[in-house]
Amino acid sequence: EAGVTQFPSHSVIEKGQTVTLRCDPISGHDNLYWYRRVMGKEIKFLLHFVKESKQDESGMPNNRFLAERTGGTYSTLKVQPAELEDSGVYFCASSRFRDPPGNEQFFGPGTRLTVL
Amino acid sequence: DAKTTQPPSMDCAEGRAANLPCNHSTISGNEYVYWYRQIHSQGPQYIIHGLKNNETNEMASLIITEDRKSSTLILPHATLRDTAVYYCILNAGNMLTFGGGTRLMVKP
Repeated sequence: EAGVTQFPSHSVIEKGQTVTLRCDPISGHDNLYWYRRVMGKEIKFLLHFVKESKQDESGMPNNRFLAERTGGTYSTLKVQPAELEDSGVYFCASSRFRDPPGNEQFFGPGTRLTVL
Repeated sequence: DAKTTQPPSMDCAEGRAANLPCNHSTISGNEYVYWYRQIHSQGPQYIIHGLKNNETNEMASLIITEDRKSSTLILPHATLRDTAVYYCILNAGNMLTFGGGTRLMVKP
C-alpha cells in the first residue's frame, strides 16, 4: 500500500509569487489533513477534509491560503501571494476514519517551502 | 494548545528500554492517548494509541495509569534509529495538536 505522497518536496519562490502544493492520500482514506511547521515553532493544524468537503479549516492563517480537494482524492494547497512568514514545512496526512480508535493519521514527507 | 506535558529531552543507551512519560491531567473521557514521532525532518509517524487499557504493538508499548492522567511510552530495546522527537497527543477526532514533544537521543 502506497503511503501519503507530497509534491514538490522543496519549493523556493519569491515573495509575492504563487505556489501550489499537492498531496495524494492513501487510497481509501476519506480524511485528509494539512499541517505546517514554521521555523522554530510546533507543528500546527491547518485544515481537515472529509472527502471533498472542508470539515474544519480553523487553522488556516489567512485568506492567502486556499485548499481544495476536488473529487475527494488528492488535495492542493495554494498560497497566493506568498509572504516571508509562510516559509516552513507543510505536511499532509490522511486517515480512514475521523474518530478514534481507528483514526490514526499517516503523514507524508512534507513540502519544504522557502519564500525569499 | 497541547493538553499534554512531556520532558523536553531524554537520553537512552542503545539496547536498553526507553520510557517516555507524558502527563495529561485534564484528559476528557472520550480522548484517546496517541503517540507519534518525528525522525529528523521526516513526516510524523504514528506509533500507538490507547484509551484506558495498556496496549502493545510491534513498535512499542503504552502504559496508561488507572486515572488516565498520565501515560508512558516504552520502546523495549531502543536502537540508534529510534532517535527522534516523540509526541504525546490527546485526540477525540479531527486534528492533532502537537506540543514540543520529547527529544529522545539513543546513544551507543
